[in-house]
Amino acid sequence: GENVEQHPSTLSVQEGDSAVIKCTYSDSASNYFPWYKQELGKRPQLIIDIRSNVGEKKDQRIAVTLNKTAKHFSLHITETQPEDSAVYFCAASITSTGANNLFFGTGTRLTVIP
Amino acid sequence: SQTIHQWPATLVQPVGSPLSLECTVEGTSNPNLYWYRQAAGRGLQLLFYSVGIGQISSEVPQNLSASRPQDRQFILSSKKLLLSDSGFYLCAWSPPGTGDGYTFGSGTRLTVV
Repeated sequence: GENVEQHPSTLSVQEGDSAVIKCTYSDSASNYFPWYKQELGKRPQLIIDIRSNVGEKKDQRIAVTLNKTAKHFSLHITETQPEDSAVYFCAASITSTGANNLFFGTGTRLTVIP
Repeated sequence: SQTIHQWPATLVQPVGSPLSLECTVEGTSNPNLYWYRQAAGRGLQLLFYSVGIGQISSEVPQNLSASRPQDRQFILSSKKLLLSDSGFYLCAWSPPGTGDGYTFGSGTRLTVV
């Protein structure tokens, strides 16, 4: 099955700085790459996603890039704010008819220091 | 709009006792349904998924089982809990025929004592 690796496991940045989280995947057939944010004790929530036919996607301060050749994708958060502090998970899946299981990375705990 | 309900929110159970966690989805038909487990400080591990009533697939061998008695109902069960079953259990759904747009339930924090 798919294997997703995520780095770093923890990340601390000063408020206003940028944060970058990187993931790699193993199955070249994977074509959907979402990112989830999980606050302490709460459910993961989708913050942005990208499909394999797109190289980059941006939504305000959040952007995701995808390099299909290298099989890696990254989350970029600019102008970080204290409320960005959370655990972030990347994931990969093959979307097709039937079940489409998301395989998650191990998470990155982001701390934004005021 | 679609909503997903999961209960109970917290549960403390003794070793060897049974388990039943329930998840229901509203506002959609024939969703893909999933059970994930998250150990403390760890990532999300897929346990079971279902593409239709009575259709259950398991990703990892364990003493847990899942059932889908109705289109929008997904149940996670165990006959005898182990200490290692402690964790945060999350139900999720996605539109039929596609895995994008996963939405998670609010989770059940299970502590086996």
